[in-house]
Amino acid sequence: IAGITQAPTSQILAAGRRMTLRCTQDMRHNAMYWYRQDLGLGLRLIHYSNTAGTTGKGEVPDGYSVSRANTDDFPLTLASAVPSQTSVYFCASSDSGTSTDTQYFGPGTRLTVL
Amino acid sequence: GQNIDQPTEMTATEGAIVQINCTYQTSGFNGLFWYQQHAGEAPTFLSYNVLDGLEEKGRFSSFLSRSKGYSYLLLKELQMKDSASYLCAVVDSNYQLIWGAGTKLIIKP
Repeated sequence: IAGITQAPTSQILAAGRRMTLRCTQDMRHNAMYWYRQDLGLGLRLIHYSNTAGTTGKGEVPDGYSVSRANTDDFPLTLASAVPSQTSVYFCASSDSGTSTDTQYFGPGTRLTVL
Repeated sequence: GQNIDQPTEMTATEGAIVQINCTYQTSGFNGLFWYQQHAGEAPTFLSYNVLDGLEEKGRFSSFLSRSKGYSYLLLKELQMKDSASYLCAVVDSNYQLIWGAGTKLIIKP
């Protein structure tokens, strides 16, 4: 089934631990995005990639890093997790890096940092 | 600063019509999206408006007035499955996508 997959579905993590959230798409989209969604707030962009090999910082990049080695995969790494990173994380993709393109979202990863 | 305002929560009755408003103050405008998000699920695309006026897609319509910084999503013949959050997002002059916090719509039988 075409679309975006994310792993894990949920995770409880001790503060200070390193964690990588995985995201894979099979739509051959050029652009990919990582958002976090917190209660009462809109989706906030963490990092994005307009094409394989390039990445950029979004609105809330601190404490997170990404890589884009190929078209399909866009992992998000928390080097040393803190409780304020407790959130639901969504990966998304679009055909191009133009923000007027429709974005397609993965099912999300619910992360709790204790 | 950039701001998008939507009501936090709305309640409507099955079979009725509901209008969800979105007002925005952004640095420029290059389009407005509406997405639907069921609880615990991913947002999914509903509509995109860049010109003033009403666009209809089945039971859902989206309206835009750029001069007023205003949009609404109109849902007709409400069904229980329409219970969800509806997210408004604006593309600003720098082509950044700014998201509202969403409106939770509760449908009652």
